[in-house]
Amino acid sequence: EAGVVQSPRYKIIEKKQPVAFWCNPISGHNTLYWYRQNLGQGPELLIRYENEEAVDDSQLPKDRFSAERLKGVDSTLKIQPAELGDSAVYLCASSKDRVNTGELFFGEGSRLTVL
Amino acid sequence: RKEVEQDPGPFNVPEGATVAFNCTYSNSASQSFFWYRQDCRKEPKLLMSVYSSGNEDGRFTAQLNRASQYISLLIRDSKLSDSATYLCVVSQRGGNKLTFGTGTQLKVEL
Repeated sequence: EAGVVQSPRYKIIEKKQPVAFWCNPISGHNTLYWYRQNLGQGPELLIRYENEEAVDDSQLPKDRFSAERLKGVDSTLKIQPAELGDSAVYLCASSKDRVNTGELFFGEGSRLTVL
Repeated sequence: RKEVEQDPGPFNVPEGATVAFNCTYSNSASQSFFWYRQDCRKEPKLLMSVYSSGNEDGRFTAQLNRASQYISLLIRDSKLSDSATYLCVVSQRGGNKLTFGTGTQLKVEL
């Protein structure tokens, strides 16, 4: 079974440029998460989807960040414009809907460097 | 105060040692608890759930103290391959929102 797929793995951009990350969750997983992980820190939730509905986006900086999950499958996370402080690893994860076993399956992450 | 707090370490221990990590959480409504493991430059993966009665998985033992809002992970007979960051994770009742601690780094040495 394929795991969570993310792209790109690495991205280097200059500040004020836009950037987008893509995620394809495990087949059959209705809940999708975007986390941001700064160096030496744990992952911090940006947004959580159940199917195509964003059920928790309270931590998403909406002035520059946006996300979508059309058709309830894959998802994109966009930053426009990027700032130096956005340098981090952006992790996508998925889990089976309404099964709170605590097991999130993470992708390998997209490492963003903003210069 | 952070919702989930851990000592960042690093904990440097010799192979074969026993090491314990602690974690505290601030929200008394927290319902479920987990330990995740994250290898360097890799994604986090579930290590084990933490049950109220305590639970063991091989060399790993997890315990929960709800009264003190405290979770622990004990690793016995440490192996070089145990070197990683251990993340304490908490979720609320009925929810799928997991809150991660900052992680505790373990380095097992020869």
